[in-house]
Amino acid sequence: GDSVTQMEGPVTLSEEAFLTINCTYTATGYPSLFWYVQYPGEGLQLLLKATKADDKGSNKGFEATYRKETTSFHLEKGSVQVSDSAVYFCALSDDSNYQLIWGAGTKLIIKP
Amino acid sequence: NAGVTQTPKFQVLKTGQSMTLQCAQDMNHEYMSWYRQDPGMGLRLIHYSVGAGITDQGEVPNGYNVSRSTTEDFPLRLLSAAPSQTSVYFCASSYSISGPLGGGDEQYFGPGTRLTVT
Repeated sequence: GDSVTQMEGPVTLSEEAFLTINCTYTATGYPSLFWYVQYPGEGLQLLLKATKADDKGSNKGFEATYRKETTSFHLEKGSVQVSDSAVYFCALSDDSNYQLIWGAGTKLIIKP
Repeated sequence: NAGVTQTPKFQVLKTGQSMTLQCAQDMNHEYMSWYRQDPGMGLRLIHYSVGAGITDQGEVPNGYNVSRSTTEDFPLRLLSAAPSQTSVYFCASSYSISGPLGGGDEQYFGPGTRLTVT
């Protein structure tokens, strides 16, 4: 079945560093891809999404490009801030049965 | 708009007790779902609903019941709590039911319920 694999965390960076969180997927159809973020003590919220190959999602300085040839949707940010410390989840939509398939999450820690 | 609300925020149960986790949304969303979140395992879908009166099982439905009598409410019932059900539970909703995420519909999450079963 469909699946999502994320790099294991925690990822620890200094403020203003460049961020990459890897996400790869396997899917039989043409899923939409998502990044959700969970700040401490809160529920998840959508960070960005891409619905077809070569689409780039972006929000709050974060970007991710839907790469069908490498089945990847890596999250990037050029200069992270302490406020970006959170858990980041990659997910894909399985339109055949109304479900989202989730990665395990990557905890990001930004030190001042 | 309150968005998605969940109660209670925290709950401690003894093994064998039953309880209901409440979830409500005021966005007129058709699709609602319950997830549990365990360390290192991401989110796992328990049950979901594509509209009032319609529910279906997700990945880990055993030990849980749901009903959807109105568009707004989607309660999750634990029938006989077990320590393996210790987790954080999230309710979520989204607008579309045509491929949930039908081309990429955003899911809105509640703040979560932290449940401990002793």
